[in-house]
Amino acid sequence: NAGVTQTPKFQVLKTGQSMTLQCAQDMNHEYMSWYRQDPGMGLRLIHYSVGAGITDQGEVPNGYNVSRSTTEDFPLRLLSAAPSQTSVYFCASGEGLAGYSYEQYFGPGTRLTVT
Amino acid sequence: SQQGEEDPQALSIQEGENATMNCSYKTSINNLQWYRQNSGRGLVHLILIRSNEREKHSGRLRVTLDTSKKSSSLLITASRAADTASYFCATDARYHTGRRALTFGSGTRLQVQP
Repeated sequence: NAGVTQTPKFQVLKTGQSMTLQCAQDMNHEYMSWYRQDPGMGLRLIHYSVGAGITDQGEVPNGYNVSRSTTEDFPLRLLSAAPSQTSVYFCASGEGLAGYSYEQYFGPGTRLTVT
Repeated sequence: SQQGEEDPQALSIQEGENATMNCSYKTSINNLQWYRQNSGRGLVHLILIRSNEREKHSGRLRVTLDTSKKSSSLLITASRAADTASYFCATDARYHTGRRALTFGSGTRLQVQP
């Protein structure tokens, strides 16, 4: 199993550009989530999904969109990048609809810089 | 604001000593988890304790949970230089949608000196 994979590993964007961060898992997990990690702030939840077609907002959803068309993939879209979105982004997955009740498997992260 | 907060923010100890980290949270939970993050890497799950459990062990790790005080502690015994990492607690907070999701604290940075 590859586990949770994220692409790209690094990305530099100019203010106003859009892009999609890819996340895929091969463990057939229903629950997937996106976090951003800023220095000294820990991880903050952006969006999460409890299955294909079902997504919800987390703590800091503004400026980001998600969709979940398959169990395996959960892409995160930045609509119009801003310097405040410079961060490290982590995707995670967990078993079942209540994936928060189980161990989360994290991807290696995408380091995004917006200039 | 974040559901869980770790204390201390940073901890430096000598190899062989024990390391204790604390986590406090605000609302009711079903479970609490501890994760470890090595510099520049993703998080790795260490241990999960459910709200009806008071203590759990895994190797050199011991986790306690006090739901009346809304707090948990992670004890690493006989620490090694390889334990140097950041440690995070995570709880299943309920969001405005009514659904629960996993939220993390800001972490404790542990430095183990050889």
